Amino acid sequence: AQSVTQLDSHVSVSEGTPVLLRCNYSSSYSPSLFWYVQHPNKGLQLLLKYTSAATLVKGINGFEAEFKKSETSFHLTKPSAHMSDAAEYFCVVSDQTAGNKLTFGGGTRVLVKP
Amino acid sequence: SQTIHQWPATLVQPVGSPLSLECTVEGTSNPNLYWYRQAAGRGLQLLFYSVGIGQISSEVPQNLSASRPQDRQFILSSKKLLLSDSGFYLCAWRSSYYGYTFGSGTRLTVV
Repeated sequence: AQSVTQLDSHVSVSEGTPVLLRCNYSSSYSPSLFWYVQHPNKGLQLLLKYTSAATLVKGINGFEAEFKKSETSFHLTKPSAHMSDAAEYFCVVSDQTAGNKLTFGGGTRVLVKP
Repeated sequence: SQTIHQWPATLVQPVGSPLSLECTVEGTSNPNLYWYRQAAGRGLQLLFYSVGIGQISSEVPQNLSASRPQDRQFILSSKKLLLSDSGFYLCAWRSSYYGYTFGSGTRLTVV
């Protein structure tokens, strides 16, 4: 069985300061890991994904995440937050067995203050 | 290119009424298709997935059902909606080449 825990349900940052969204996972298989962003009343957009290549993954809009197997973590970071980063972020693990199902974390809502 | 269409974008339905949400994909064949639901203040939960026509797997026992009458069509249905069915429903498909693609979602409010 697999699971994902996003350690913070809400994160508030000031514009121009770093953003850190924490994610821990458990999986019985070599996992694929994803970060998705959901802006209000919009669908999900893929930020980045890890699929057993480089452990430091760079995504869109300046985001990156580091896969740490020893810590079972996949934290998302951005050096400088922008107002447009205000959204909900989901950490996701993929089940490599039949169906390639995704298991989502509970989400982290990011508020960016001017 | 691959695209996914999901409709309607918003829907308000009375308790006890039927439901039909449709999702279609283009630009691929034999995709794995998924229905997810996001209840208010909660993360996304997998409801159904399908690896082929007529093949449906249910992840959570509930008031909903899914069907896949054609290769690129996935339908979410209910005979009688409950208040607890309110939420944001997302269709997704996965290809081995492109990975996962999500639809724009349907916000369902049961009143």
